[in-house]
Amino acid sequence: DAKTTQPPSMDCAEGRAANLPCNHSTISGNEYVYWYRQIHSQGPQYIIHGLKNNETNEMASLIITEDRKSSTLILPHATLRDTAVYYCIGGGEYGNKLVFGAGTILRVKS
Amino acid sequence: DAGVIQSPRHEVTEMGQEVTLRCKPISGHDYLFWYRQTMMRGLELLIYFNNNVPIDDSGMPEDRFSAKMPNASFSTLKIQPSEPRDSAVYFCASSPNRYEQYFGPGTRLTVT
Repeated sequence: DAKTTQPPSMDCAEGRAANLPCNHSTISGNEYVYWYRQIHSQGPQYIIHGLKNNETNEMASLIITEDRKSSTLILPHATLRDTAVYYCIGGGEYGNKLVFGAGTILRVKS
Repeated sequence: DAGVIQSPRHEVTEMGQEVTLRCKPISGHDYLFWYRQTMMRGLELLIYFNNNVPIDDSGMPEDRFSAKMPNASFSTLKIQPSEPRDSAVYFCASSPNRYEQYFGPGTRLTVT
């Protein structure tokens, strides 16, 4: 699995877009990028995943650079409920063995 | 759908006792995962099943840990004998397509 690097923490104003970066320079061609988050005292929650193309769903957008060495998770209008630890994972081809790192603590402030 | 169901939510036991954690995956999901989370080691994959068959148990700490999935709607993680270092939050997750994993609320285990 690819090693990922994320900033330990970030702040975001409520209502603004939250842009969470992730470096995964060792990712191989068939490895996906997955994003999960964990709100305090809850189980992790799947957000989005992608391989090469940018992806968007009801929760977030995932922007992957052309060389696939980094990506950005975008929460378009952050709310206080988005305060959580966000994990970027460079996973196996089938996402079966996800290796969770320390993640980024996102604090959304009013 | 009720989501992934885990029981008990909290378990306190004495060292040496047997502990059994239970999980009911989301109906129709073919994959089931057991994770452990501690402050020191973060979130670790212990074992995962596909169609009730264990596929990879390389994350299981030692022989004291065992996991079973007798049918598509039930799995157990057993620790025998338990030790204080097993204290952690244990999560079960299920997946329909190998890309998205849906986690349960976790079982907080305390071994004294």
